[in-house]
Amino acid sequence: AQRVTQPEKLLSVFKGAPVELKCNYSYSGSPELFWYVQYSRQRLQLLLRHISRESIKGFTADLNKGETSFHLKKPFAQEEDSAMYYCALMDTGGFKTIFGAGTRLFVKA
Amino acid sequence: KAGVTQTPRYLIKTRGQQVTLSCSPISGHRSVSWYQQTPGQGLQFLFEYFSETQRNKGNFPGRFSGRQFSNSRSEMNVSTLELGDSALYLCASSLAPGRGGTEAFFGQGTRLTVV
Repeated sequence: AQRVTQPEKLLSVFKGAPVELKCNYSYSGSPELFWYVQYSRQRLQLLLRHISRESIKGFTADLNKGETSFHLKKPFAQEEDSAMYYCALMDTGGFKTIFGAGTRLFVKA
Repeated sequence: KAGVTQTPRYLIKTRGQQVTLSCSPISGHRSVSWYQQTPGQGLQFLFEYFSETQRNKGNFPGRFSGRQFSNSRSEMNVSTLELGDSALYLCASSLAPGRGGTEAFFGQGTRLTVV
């Protein structure tokens, strides 16, 4: 079954500390993976996608097919990174996106 | 460029009633997806439309239905409302759907409360 697991509901780090938001997926084919972010009182928006292999706002994510993971990382967290983060998987057909339960990141001053 | 617009923003309905939610995608976007967001279940995929055709549907009962018009605007309908249907319903649109396609842009959602 297709599934996206984000094991942490809440992650709290100090400003300047490294942060890693975990995401594991279950999918029999070749997935297309995303990270979405929702800042307070804002719309859900795309942060990055694995096929782009880019860094957005200092965040990177590497697809590890062996571990079926797509963890989101940032070396130095900022207070403005505090938000809800969702990992998502698009199926082979491309017509359905499955979201994880989300991780709330809180960056303390 | 206007973003994805969902109307109404808030709705209160009683059990057994039906409700229709509307989504206007970004101009030029032809793919529209719907999601249900609840604290317990997170974001659950409802269905996706492209060129007035439903191409995929999530695991929701038949009470949940949708459609897309020729101008790409989409509606979703929930009949015989249940308390458990209380949720934030999100709509997302994209220019080029599918794998490798363009980014999906989300609306602000419609908050449905069933009493």
